[in-house]
Amino acid sequence: QKEVEQNSGPLSVPEGAIASLNCTYSDRVSQSFFWYRQYSGKSPELIMSIYSNGDKEDGRFTAQLNKASQYVSLLIRDSQPSDSATYLCAGGGIQGAQKLVFGQGTRLTINP
Amino acid sequence: SQTIHQWPATLVQPVGSPLSLECTVEGTSNPNLYWYRQAAGRGLQLLFYSVGIGQISSEVPQNLSASRPQDRQFILSSKKLLLSDSGFYLCAWSREYTEAFFGQGTRLTVV
Repeated sequence: QKEVEQNSGPLSVPEGAIASLNCTYSDRVSQSFFWYRQYSGKSPELIMSIYSNGDKEDGRFTAQLNKASQYVSLLIRDSQPSDSATYLCAGGGIQGAQKLVFGQGTRLTINP
Repeated sequence: SQTIHQWPATLVQPVGSPLSLECTVEGTSNPNLYWYRQAAGRGLQLLFYSVGIGQISSEVPQNLSASRPQDRQFILSSKKLLLSDSGFYLCAWSREYTEAFFGQGTRLTVV
């Protein structure tokens, strides 16, 4: 089992709707979870960090962490065409080591 | 504030040639440093990470190596490039168990 897994998509959502991105992780990941956005040809940029169970909201973005079920999700409300990008889930603290591993990314397209 | 510099932005190298990519971080001390590679349309593959000077952990057996000669400098090297080494190379830094921040990346094409 990979340490962090995502559905590679593509995921297509109409403008103004809620985009839901999901990520599962193995029990080797223990410390921290992150969502990044990557535009084509660019480096990833951090959207959200989440360290404890529950929801964390920042503007139109909400990250949800469920440690019992080993998944983390990202909701994007009022989706905009500018949200079209690849979204990468990452997990840290792999078996206590200070490394950060990424899922394969989900390509999201927001249709006007 | 912290900044990360990575160069060059693009590089075209012949098969069998050496490689040296450099990354430096400013505005923080004792960062964790990472080298990732991304093939076209794929996720980020962790190649190396370092928690301190001279401390390198290798994640994937290959013809690449990494070094950390100074606290905020991380170098990725190869003695002889292969076609399969082509990709988008990303350097990143983080503090302990926290989010990572990326450099602009180097797009390497081996011909």
